[in-house]
Amino acid sequence: GAVVSQHPSRVICKSGTSVKIECRSLDFQATTMFWYRQFPKKSLMLMATSNEGSKATYEQGVEKDKFLINHASLTLSTLTVTSAHPEDSSFYICSARDRETEAFFGQGTRLTVV
Amino acid sequence: DQQVKQNSPSLSVQEGRISILNCDYTNSMFDYFLWYKKYPAEGPTFLISISSIKDKNEDGRFTVFLNKSAKHLSLHIVPSQPGDSAVYFCAASATGANSKLTFGKGITLSVRP
Repeated sequence: GAVVSQHPSRVICKSGTSVKIECRSLDFQATTMFWYRQFPKKSLMLMATSNEGSKATYEQGVEKDKFLINHASLTLSTLTVTSAHPEDSSFYICSARDRETEAFFGQGTRLTVV
Repeated sequence: DQQVKQNSPSLSVQEGRISILNCDYTNSMFDYFLWYKKYPAEGPTFLISISSIKDKNEDGRFTVFLNKSAKHLSLHIVPSQPGDSAVYFCAASATGANSKLTFGKGITLSVRP
């Protein structure tokens, strides 16, 4: 199946700093990528849809100024958590769909804000 | 309002037996359904999918059944193996190449040796 690579897999940062997470589709072009967040013992919650060359579409309740998404090319989308706080600590996962079927996921990023 | 529901948080099954994981949905616009398996601290991996034009799809030990009238689908794993122990997410989407997935809360499957 298609491969989606997410980096870093784990990051610890100080409160108030910003963290960038990268999501790459390695063997296909993804015009659309998705960013999810998973809280402990909860489902994957869609944060935003990242469209190549245009602004991301954010789900209700997600602060677009806090979670900056950039989809500069057909193979790369980035999520930047700005001015991170401990409540932003979570597991962030990206996904990309190469056709109207399966979505392939990155390995996820465990963010811990201290 | 949760559009995809996995009402049982966990399931424990003996190795070799059948595991049946259930999923219900409320949005009648959903026409494509997927099951993902997830280990802790990893991204979900795709298992099997089904389009609304079908009522069954089989891939090896995994079979997904869809009952559109009941808005219900289920994943059958037979025979269950200890390596199947993981969290299983049901997901649904409406027609469209870039349609987002809506996930259930997941079911933790434990397969006892």
